[in-house]
Amino acid sequence: RKEVEQDPGPFNVPEGATVAFNCTYSNSASQSFFWYRQDCRKEPKLLMSVYSSGNEDGRFTAQLNRASQYISLLIRDSKLSDSATYLCVVGNNAGNMLTFGGGTRLMVKP
Amino acid sequence: DADVTQTPRNRITKTGKRIMLECSQTKGHDRMYWYRQDPGLGLRLIYYSFDVKDINKGEISDGYSVSRQAQAKFSLSLESAIPNQTALYFCATSESLGGKVFFGEGSRLTVL
Repeated sequence: RKEVEQDPGPFNVPEGATVAFNCTYSNSASQSFFWYRQDCRKEPKLLMSVYSSGNEDGRFTAQLNRASQYISLLIRDSKLSDSATYLCVVGNNAGNMLTFGGGTRLMVKP
Repeated sequence: DADVTQTPRNRITKTGKRIMLECSQTKGHDRMYWYRQDPGLGLRLIYYSFDVKDINKGEISDGYSVSRQAQAKFSLSLESAIPNQTALYFCATSESLGGKVFFGEGSRLTVL
C-alpha cells in the first residue's frame, strides 16, 4: 500500500463548479500536511498547508481528518487557471521529510 | 532568477554513460533534496542532505550518488545510466524547521 494515496483523475469540471479531492495516508504518526500544485512540465509549488482545524485561502479549503487519516481539498468557483495536478503531501514526525502522493489531475473546461 | 537552479534542464544520453545533475540555491536553506518523478508515481526521494557533512539515502537511492559541495550546492550523479532512470528530476530545499519545500524547475533526463 502506498504511504499517500490519491485518485489520479482526471477530474473534468466546468468553470464555476465546486470540486473536491481526497487523499489518504498510512502513517498515523504523520505530523504535517500540505497540498502542492504542479502545472504541466513545471515544478510543484506549495498551495497550502493543512491544519487540524481546517483552513481556507480564498476559494480553496483544506481539511484534515486524523482519525480517518485523510486530507481533503475543496475548490469553489473553479477557474480555467485551476487546471493542474494537485499533490497531497505528508510530513513525518519532525515535519522535515515529505512523502508525496501521485497527484490528482484537474481539468476545468469553459 | 530562480531561487533553486538546476542544470542541465534537459539531457539525452546513452546507456552506460555517467551523468551529473547540478543544483544550486540562493535561499540559504540547510536542507537539500533530490527527487525523481515518474508518471503516476508522484515524487520519490533519492537522497537528502541536512548540511554539508550530512548525506542520507532516500527511498530509491540505488544507482545514484550525491555530493554536497557547499551549503548552496547539491549534485546528483548517475554513474552508469540505464533506461529506467529516464525521468524528471527535481532538486529541492527546505527550511530547517517546518515542511515547506521549494523546488527547482526540474531536469528532464532521457537514457537511450
